Formats: sequence, structure tokens, C-alpha cells
Amino acid sequence: DAKTTQPPSMDCAEGRAANLPCNHSTISGNEYVYWYRQIHSQGPQYIIHGLKNNETNEMASLIITEDRKSSTLILPHATLRDTAVYYCIVRVEHAGNNRKLIWGLGTSLAVNP
Amino acid sequence: NAGVTQTPKFRILKIGQSMTLQCAQDMNHNYMYWYRQDPGMGLKLIYYSVGAGITDKGEVPNGYNVSRSTTEDFPLRLELAAPSQTSVYFCASSPGLSSYNSPLHFGNGTRLTVT
Repeated sequence: DAKTTQPPSMDCAEGRAANLPCNHSTISGNEYVYWYRQIHSQGPQYIIHGLKNNETNEMASLIITEDRKSSTLILPHATLRDTAVYYCIVRVEHAGNNRKLIWGLGTSLAVNP
Repeated sequence: NAGVTQTPKFRILKIGQSMTLQCAQDMNHNYMYWYRQDPGMGLKLIYYSVGAGITDKGEVPNGYNVSRSTTEDFPLRLELAAPSQTSVYFCASSPGLSSYNSPLHFGNGTRLTVT
């Protein structure tokens, strides 16, 4: 699976949009981009995933560039409860490939009042 | 649904002791996983299972054993605990091959200290 690069930390004001970038320049055509987050002391939580089209759900939006070499996770109105470590992971879309996930250090997002 | 349940939440072991970390899921997921997360680090896969009776090693299996006698349960056994096994352990599950969207569902972890 392709590796990803994320900034180690970011800050965001409460109520503003948080835009978390991720580079995955070696992504292959059948690899999806997944985002998880880990709130302090809890297990990681799935947020969203996509292949090439932009995706939106009740938690966030995922914008993937046309060349698929980078993506941005958008939390439209960040709250203090969104303070967490956010992981961007690429994975071939097959259930069995969860075992191959490479969990880096992610981006530590601090939402400030 | 309770999702993925891990017990205990905390445990302190002495060097050389053994213990079993429990993990249960009620989502009828075929795949289950054990990860460890050391302070300030990403998750490392210890063992995984693709269904009852089938297990396989992950990235860091040494010092651990698993079994999968039922779809619901996936216990992790530590024999002869060592300080290097001090970590937070997460269990996760995901649907099987028939499910196209198969994100991981995690438990809230077991914090283990070996002294």
C-alpha cells in the first residue's frame, strides 16, 4: 500500500473549517483513501473514504485531487470535540487488506476556543 | 449494538506473569485484529483473523498468541510478560469479503503496564 505524508500538527479555531491535508503521491489506481481519527485515549474511529470523487458524510468531506496524489479532509465547523489525531491511509479496496494498513503518526489537530 | 468490547481497561503485570486480553464484537464481522500502540507512535498489527479457526501473524507477533474459536471472540494471550510489552492494545473488526466498504471498528483499548 502507498505511504502517506501528513503535517504533524495543526490548529483550528472553534466554529471554523478544519482542512487537513494528506499527500499520497505513489497511490495506485485501485487504492482508496481512508481517514480515521483517534481522540485521546480512545480507539481510532472511521471518518470517511473515497477513490477519486469527492465524498461527504455527516462527519466530514473528502476532497481528492484529480491526479489523486493528494487529498484534504474537511471538518466544516470544528468543535472542541474534534481535537484528535487524524490518520490518512491508502488501501486497496478489499476487506483482507486492512491487515496491510500502515499507520503513521497522523496530524494532531487542536481546536481552540 | 455494543460494537467492539475490550476487557480489562487497565492492567499492571509483573515481569514473567501471563494474562489474556479479551475482545468481543457483536456485529458478525469476519475479520478481527489486534494492534498495539506505543506512546507517540502509530498502530502496529500483532495478529489478525479472517474467520473462526483462522489466525495469522501481523507485523509484531513475538510474545503473543491468539485464538478464534467463535466469530464473536478474539482473545490475545501474553505469556511471560516483558517490559517491552507495556503498551495500549486495541482490538478491531471489519466485515468480510462480501462487504465492499470495510472500515475498521475499534474497541477502546486495554492499557497494560509490565513492571
